[in-house]
Amino acid sequence: EAQVTQNPRYLITVTGKKLTVTCSQNMNHEYMSWYRQDPGLGLRQIYYSMNVEVTDKGDVPEGYKVSRKEKRNFPLILESPSPNQTSLYFCASSLSVYQGAPTEAFFGQGTRLTVV
Amino acid sequence: AQKVTQAQTEISVVEKEDVTLDCVYETRDTTYYLFWYKQPPSGELVFLIRRNSFDEQNEISGRYSWNFQKSTSSFNFTITASQVVDSAVYFCALSGSGYALNFGKGTSLLVTP
Repeated sequence: EAQVTQNPRYLITVTGKKLTVTCSQNMNHEYMSWYRQDPGLGLRQIYYSMNVEVTDKGDVPEGYKVSRKEKRNFPLILESPSPNQTSLYFCASSLSVYQGAPTEAFFGQGTRLTVV
Repeated sequence: AQKVTQAQTEISVVEKEDVTLDCVYETRDTTYYLFWYKQPPSGELVFLIRRNSFDEQNEISGRYSWNFQKSTSSFNFTITASQVVDSAVYFCALSGSGYALNFGKGTSLLVTP
């Protein structure tokens, strides 16, 4: 079954404690990205990756890191989480980017992160 | 800059009513893509449709239909004969020369029996 898998689904952590949210897709997609969803703000892109070893900042990259060592995996790293990073996070993947636009994006189930 | 406006924050209808969700966008790109996603109460995001800027044909998929009008920069979504299972938050999104999906703030649809 084609899917994007995020782990964990729920996470409560304390300020400053490094954490990683994993994302894996089984569709051999080139393009992957991370979004955060906040009430009243909709979804905003954090980072994206066009392919292995190619990553770039989205609209709200501060406080986050990513890596793309393998095509299927695109982890999101919070080196020193703060309460303002409490949010619902989504990983997404697309087969390709055509003329600057992602094709159909498949989203993971979401990770609800709370930083206290 | 890309911008998507979904002016309807919440809509409530009774089952079997038709309902239209509005989406107005702004972009300076000549080539762009418009999307609709559904987010049911379980939280996942489900892709519904993608439309490119050169294709203004309306689309129908079962009870769902989409009306794309470049003249008014709108990409509206209509659900015919709504059902309780249609209750969800619906997002319109735009992608242009950048590599991000720019989402509207979403419209929460509640369909009551």
